[in-house]
Amino acid sequence: AQKITQTQPGMFVQEKEAVTLDCTYDTSDPSYGLFWYKQPSSGEMIFLIYQGSYDQQNATEGRYSLNFQKARKSANLVISASQLGDSAMYFCAMRVLITGANSKLTFGKGITLSVRP
Amino acid sequence: GAVVSQHPSWVICKSGTSVKIECRSLDFQATTMFWYRQFPKQSLMLMATSNEGSKATYEQGVEKDKFLINHASLTLSTLTVTSAHPEDSSFYICSARVYYGKGLKETQYFGPGTRLLVL
Repeated sequence: AQKITQTQPGMFVQEKEAVTLDCTYDTSDPSYGLFWYKQPSSGEMIFLIYQGSYDQQNATEGRYSLNFQKARKSANLVISASQLGDSAMYFCAMRVLITGANSKLTFGKGITLSVRP
Repeated sequence: GAVVSQHPSWVICKSGTSVKIECRSLDFQATTMFWYRQFPKQSLMLMATSNEGSKATYEQGVEKDKFLINHASLTLSTLTVTSAHPEDSSFYICSARVYYGKGLKETQYFGPGTRLLVL
């Protein structure tokens, strides 16, 4: 079974500063994908970044980067130059990559990020 | 990028009525769609996996007869909450799996969600 752990309490960051949102995972499968989603108060889930377990480099997408430490089973999201619009709930998720099967996304409980002006 | 739409965005209904929620992939074909339920301040809970042309796969504890899922085409999946009751009030979100970029990166794109309130 897969498990995602997000234990940080509500996070606060000053506008324009960087922030790291923690995520640890647990799986016995060697092939998996890690995802981060943002959910603002409107409710929509916005895909931010993806990291495959066999990817050699950490994923980056604009201001988002994923600090992937495979041995520690952590996949922390780093947001650089925070903006007020970054205030939202952030979910870490994982999916075991099984060919031909519909394996499920497993979500963490989420972390609330508030950006202060 | 890939877009998933949901309709309606808000539903208020009386107890005992049925409500249908539509989920459409707008610019791609989605053989697999997922339906989630989310309570305030909580994470998403997968209800079922919807495969085009076949029966949906429901998660443990989700009533098949209560939450009817139909995936009749590659761009449309529907969730019908039958005989809705106040405890069914929740935020329902659909998503579709998408592959993109070099090396077939993948993700799931989500619809904007439907807020259901049963009185």
